[in-house]
Amino acid sequence: QVQLQESGPGLVKPSETLSLTCTVSGGSISSYYWTWIRQPPGKGLEWIGFIYYSGSTNYNPSLKSRVTISVDTSKNQFSLKLSSVTAADTAVYYCARVAVPYTDQDAFDIWGQGTMVTVSS
Amino acid sequence: AIRMTQSPSSFSASTGDRVTISCRASQGIFSYLAWYQQKPGGAPKLLIYAASTLQSGVPSRFSGSGSGTDFTLTISCLQSEDFATYYCQQYYSYPRTFGQGTKVEIK
Repeated sequence: QVQLQESGPGLVKPSETLSLTCTVSGGSISSYYWTWIRQPPGKGLEWIGFIYYSGSTNYNPSLKSRVTISVDTSKNQFSLKLSSVTAADTAVYYCARVAVPYTDQDAFDIWGQGTMVTVSS
Repeated sequence: AIRMTQSPSSFSASTGDRVTISCRASQGIFSYLAWYQQKPGGAPKLLIYAASTLQSGVPSRFSGSGSGTDFTLTISCLQSEDFATYYCQQYYSYPRTFGQGTKVEIK
């Protein structure tokens, strides 16, 4: 079955760029929308943005100026970059899949285990 | 952005209880609503989509109802493994938004 795994640095300095990758295994990245979601410690879930396997994206306006999501179909991976980070960006970052192919208008059925990223000097 | 408001934020219940969690959208979202369960240290797990459709593998004691702006998640007979935090999420419009969560604790 399809599994997702986030990877990347667990510690990022303020004002630098957070970079994470999500590797899709057990299935193809093609035909689906993929997403990043984050959760600050002890708080709720915040949607960051979508990417389609073709490369089209949609971002949360609250983060849009700082976010870039990209896809590498040859590696079955998609990635998140968040620039100019502050302590407020400290969170567990999850990647997930939209359940139904060819549409972004559905629930998130498969999630990675999440990776904690701390912003601190 | 559509605001999703859950109630209550937390409550205590006993094994075997019937529990309901409410979720209200700040504007109509038809049935574009999902419910997730999250246990401490774990990723959210999809329970229900399209407001009332049970995700494959999810026990039938979970059910969802509602459309438009008001939705409910019901657990018919609470089991020990159901003590967790539950989130609703709308996927009608951008940005996708979640409720603040409802924590179900052991009484």
